Amino acid sequence: QKEVEQNSGPLSVPEGAIASLNCTYSDRGSQSFFWYRQYSGKSPELIMFIYSNGDKEDGRFTAQLNKASQYVSLLIRDSQPSDSATYLCAVKKDNAGNMLTFGGGTRLMVKP
Amino acid sequence: DVKVTQSSRYLVKRTGEKVFLECVQDMDHENMFWYRQDPGLGLRLIYFSYDVKMKEKGDIPEGYSVSREKKERFSLILESASTNQTSMYLCASSGRDRDEQYFGPGTRLTVT
Repeated sequence: QKEVEQNSGPLSVPEGAIASLNCTYSDRGSQSFFWYRQYSGKSPELIMFIYSNGDKEDGRFTAQLNKASQYVSLLIRDSQPSDSATYLCAVKKDNAGNMLTFGGGTRLMVKP
Repeated sequence: DVKVTQSSRYLVKRTGEKVFLECVQDMDHENMFWYRQDPGLGLRLIYFSYDVKMKEKGDIPEGYSVSREKKERFSLILESASTNQTSMYLCASSGRDRDEQYFGPGTRLTVT
């Protein structure tokens, strides 16, 4: 089992819809959770982080964390073609110091 | 605004050459990281540093070394480049007691 798992996709949604991206992790002691967006040929860009169970909203983005079920999700409301990218989930495991463990990413395609 | 810069966007080197990749951050961050990213393999940590002159091996340190003589600068060295080191190299940094990492633009290295 991978430490951080994401469906590689592509996840295809129509413009204006809600895109839902999911990530599961294996280390129950994981503390911090991050979502990065990576456009093709570019470097990852931090878009959200969440530490506590529940929802955290930032503009069109909502991160959801459920530690009991060991999953974290990212919702993108009113999806735009410019949201088409690969979304990486990253987790700080317990006793990992300053290191993050990254999932393989989910490719999102928003169709006009 | 965090800024992480890398010395080159694209680099082409020959097998056996010594290669230096440089990363500079301007946010006085303690932690710096070098990753490589390959299709299907995701982001893999090569080395990281949590202080000047300190370094720790990541998941795939073989064939690489690092240097951190100043807080803002972290160099990745390929002692004798090989074709299997053709990859996208990404530098990242994070502050003390902060887990979120900020990435530079990346260097796409081709070894022929």
